[in-house]
Amino acid sequence: DAKTTQPPSMDCAEGRAANLPCNHSTISGNEYVYWYRQIHSQGPQYIIHGLKNNETNEMASLIITEDRKSSTLILPHATLRDTAVYYCIVSGANNAGNMLTFGGGTRLMVKP
Amino acid sequence: NAGVTQTPKFQVLKTGQSMTLQCAQDMNHEYMSWYRQDPGMGLRLIHYSVGAGITDQGEVPNGYNVSRSTTEDFPLRLLSAAPSQTSVYFCASSYSTSTGRKLFFGSGTQLSVL
Repeated sequence: DAKTTQPPSMDCAEGRAANLPCNHSTISGNEYVYWYRQIHSQGPQYIIHGLKNNETNEMASLIITEDRKSSTLILPHATLRDTAVYYCIVSGANNAGNMLTFGGGTRLMVKP
Repeated sequence: NAGVTQTPKFQVLKTGQSMTLQCAQDMNHEYMSWYRQDPGMGLRLIHYSVGAGITDQGEVPNGYNVSRSTTEDFPLRLLSAAPSQTSVYFCASSYSTSTGRKLFFGSGTQLSVL
C-alpha cells in the first residue's frame, strides 16, 4: 500500500470548515483513499473513501486531485465533537486480509 | 445491533500471566483483525483473519496467538504477558465490496502488564 503524509496537528474554529490535507504521491491506479477518525481513544470510525471522483456523505466531503497524488477531507461545519485524530489511508481493493495500515494521522483541535 | 464487542474493557496482568481478549461481531463479516495502539501512536496490525479457520500474521504478531473457529468470534491470546504488551487493543471486522471496504472497530481493551 502507498504511504501517506499528513500534518501532525491542525486547529479549526467551531462552525468553520476544516480542511485536512493528505499527500499520497506513490498511489497506484487501483488504490483507494480512506479516511477514518479516532475520538479520544475510542475505536476508529470510518468517515469516507474514494478512488478518483470526489465523494460526499453525511459526515464529510473528500476531494481527490486529478493526478490522485493528494486529497483533502472537508468537514463543512466543524463542531467541538469533531476534535479527533484523522487518519488518511491508501490501500488497494485486493489488499490481503482486507486490512488497513494506520499511520500517525492529524490531530484536529476544534476551538470555540 | 451490537456491532463489534470487545471484553474486557480494562485488564491488569502480571508479567508471565496469560489471558484472552475476546472479540465478537454480529454483522456476519468475513474479515476480522486485531490492532494495538501504544500511547501517541497509530494502530499496528497484530493478526487478521479472512474467514473461519483462516488466520495470518500482521505487522507485530510476536507474543500473540489467534484462532477463528466461527465467523462471529476472533479471540486474541497473550501467552506470557510482558510489559511491552501494555497497550490498547482494538478488534475490527470488515467486508469487501467492489468499491473498497469499511472497517468497524470495537471500543478497545486497555491492558496493563506490570
